[in-house]
Amino acid sequence: DAGVTQSPTHLIKTRGQQVTLRCSPKSGHDTVSWYQQALGQGPQFIFQYYEEEERQRGNFPDRFSGHQFPNYSSELNVNALLLGDSALYLCASSGIAGTDLEGYTFGSGTRLTVV
Amino acid sequence: GDSVTQMEGPVTLSEEAFLTINCTYTATGYPSLFWYVQYPGEGLQLLLKATKADDKGSNKGFEATYRKETTSFHLEKGSVQVSDSAVYFCALSDRAGKSTFGDGTTLTVKP
Repeated sequence: DAGVTQSPTHLIKTRGQQVTLRCSPKSGHDTVSWYQQALGQGPQFIFQYYEEEERQRGNFPDRFSGHQFPNYSSELNVNALLLGDSALYLCASSGIAGTDLEGYTFGSGTRLTVV
Repeated sequence: GDSVTQMEGPVTLSEEAFLTINCTYTATGYPSLFWYVQYPGEGLQLLLKATKADDKGSNKGFEATYRKETTSFHLEKGSVQVSDSAVYFCALSDRAGKSTFGDGTTLTVKP
């Protein structure tokens, strides 16, 4: 049973560019959440997708956007990259009617470096 | 808003020592509480959970009890091993589908 898969694993971008990160949830899960984890800190909630709609959003600017597809996979897009966007981006899936009361299953993350 | 506060690390213990990592939270309503573990170069793994007051979550020798009166969810293990060396995150989840994490506590266990 495949867990959460994320691609790519590592990425280097230049300031001002745009980036797309991808996530496939664990089989049987229908909810995908995205987190940003800066070095030495806990994950910060970006947003959550359920039934192809953004359900909740954290304190991130509109440069961060996302999408969920009918097969429950998801993309995170970041426009106009800043040096401060350098972080590990984690995708997490859960599968109880769009809630995460049973806890997330996390992917291994995408390490984004902005230079 | 919701928040989670963990004891600051790093924590260094000898093998077979007793472990406690403190976690307190602030939340409206009745959140679920979790401990996640992150090994070097990997994503977070769910370690244990508790969904209501007085519940005890346990897994791999780790335990934590949901204490509503003290708003705490301290992680304990009676005898740690070198393989337990990792970063531990306390987290809560509200009914609306959003999780809030603490900043993590780094545990190093020496042989």
